[in-house]
Amino acid sequence: QIQLQQSGPGLVQPSQTLSLICAVSGDSLSSTSATWNWIRQSPSRGLEWLGRTYYRSPWYTDYAVSVRGRITINPDTAKNQFSLHLTSVTPEDTAMYYCARADGWGDFDSWGQGTLVTVS
Amino acid sequence: EIVLTQSPGTLSLSPGERATLSCRAGQSVNNNYLAWYQQRPGQAPRLLIYGASNRATGIPDRFSGSGSGTDFTLTIGRLEPEDFAIYFCHQYGNSPASFGLGTKLEI
Repeated sequence: QIQLQQSGPGLVQPSQTLSLICAVSGDSLSSTSATWNWIRQSPSRGLEWLGRTYYRSPWYTDYAVSVRGRITINPDTAKNQFSLHLTSVTPEDTAMYYCARADGWGDFDSWGQGTLVTVS
Repeated sequence: EIVLTQSPGTLSLSPGERATLSCRAGQSVNNNYLAWYQQRPGQAPRLLIYGASNRATGIPDRFSGSGSGTDFTLTIGRLEPEDFAIYFCHQYGNSPASFGLGTKLEI
């Protein structure tokens, strides 16, 4: 059974960097049939895909246009986890943040428990 | 980005009734890569349907998906009390992936 466990602070000051970690069990981050994603959810924007990392020898990353330039997603194969870093946050970045695994087709079949991040 | 419009916004039904939820895409979804998720209060979304009509592992057969191109439907055959939640559609056939705003299914 694949499980994703999130960790990180729930409160970030404006202009600072939001950092979250997603630890994966039951699958390998280096799987060539999965991608590892960050998604956020807020009342104003709904569900919003932020970006992903995946291994296809080499590693790749894709980011949403809305956060490009501020976002970095990094894999850590030694710990089988991946991270989200979002710089220069504003109150508009306040949301529930989820990590999620997508299978080869792209549907999100496993989700983390979510982290409510407030920018204030 | 493909805009997904879900209707109705809220659907009020009783246990035992049949629910029909709609998701309309602003342009054709490649390969019918359309998924449906259920989200209960305080929980992460849960995958119900992928590829428009395929049930995910462990999903009861009262949940079914249909449709192609721009028009997709999630049907719940006989509502159980635990089915009252918010349902989202998600297209992943065109980059970037996008989500609908959801349909709230209430008692």
